Amino acid sequence: AQSVSQHNHHVILSEAASLELGCNYSYGGTVNLFWYVQYPGQHLQLLLKYFSGDPLVKGIKGFEAEFIKSKFSFNLRKPSVQWSDTAEYFCAVNAYNTDKLIFGTGTRLQVFP
Amino acid sequence: DTGVSQNPRHKITKRGQNVTFRCDPISEHNRLYWYRQTLGQGPEFLTYFQNEAQLEKSRLLSDRFSAERPKGSFSTLEIQRTEQGDSAMYLCASSLDASGGYEQYFGPGTRLTVT
Repeated sequence: AQSVSQHNHHVILSEAASLELGCNYSYGGTVNLFWYVQYPGQHLQLLLKYFSGDPLVKGIKGFEAEFIKSKFSFNLRKPSVQWSDTAEYFCAVNAYNTDKLIFGTGTRLQVFP
Repeated sequence: DTGVSQNPRHKITKRGQNVTFRCDPISEHNRLYWYRQTLGQGPEFLTYFQNEAQLEKSRLLSDRFSAERPKGSFSTLEIQRTEQGDSAMYLCASSLDASGGYEQYFGPGTRLTVT
C-alpha cells in the first residue's frame, strides 16, 4: 500500500532561517506529488505539485520542492521563512492510476519574529 | 465565494444518532472527494465520485458510512449510528477530470464531535 512519511512533526524557526521539510513515499510506479499548506483557521490549499519534467518545482510564496526518484523523496524548501509561513504542511502522493491522495501526517511549522 | 463549501461547519451529536453532511463543489468540477482528518494526522481518503458515479471507496469505510452525489453536483455524507471514534474533521474536495492531473480544491470541513 502507498504511504507517505513526514519526518519532522514540529519545526520551530526564526524569521529569515532556511527551511527544509522531509517527505518520503512508498510506491514503485509513476506518482504525482503535492505539498499542501493549512494556515491557522483556513482550509488546505495547494503549495506546489510535481507531475513530470523538471524535478525541481516552484510553488507559491517562494517555496520549492525537489523530486528525487531514487530516494522516493519530495522535500520542501524555502531559503528564508517569514512569520506568515506559520502553518501546517502536508505532503501527499497519488499513483498514476488513481485520483485519491495519500497524505503524510503533517509538519507544524512555527516561525518566530 | 466560488470555492468548495461544506455544511454544517460544526456538528455535535450523541452517540448512536445519524448525521448528514453536505458538500458543494466548485461548479465546473466533475470529481468530488471525501476525506477524514483526526488530530495530529493528515487527511485520510474515504471515497470519491466522478459526476454521480462513486468510483472508489476506502476499505476503512464501515457500512455505517454512505455517500451520494445524486445529480453530479453536491454530495452528502451520512454516518449512521455514530460512535465516538467518528469524531473528526470531514473534508470535501473537488477537481476537474484527468487521472491525478488536476489539483484538488478543499473545503473548510465539517467538524464532528460525538459525545
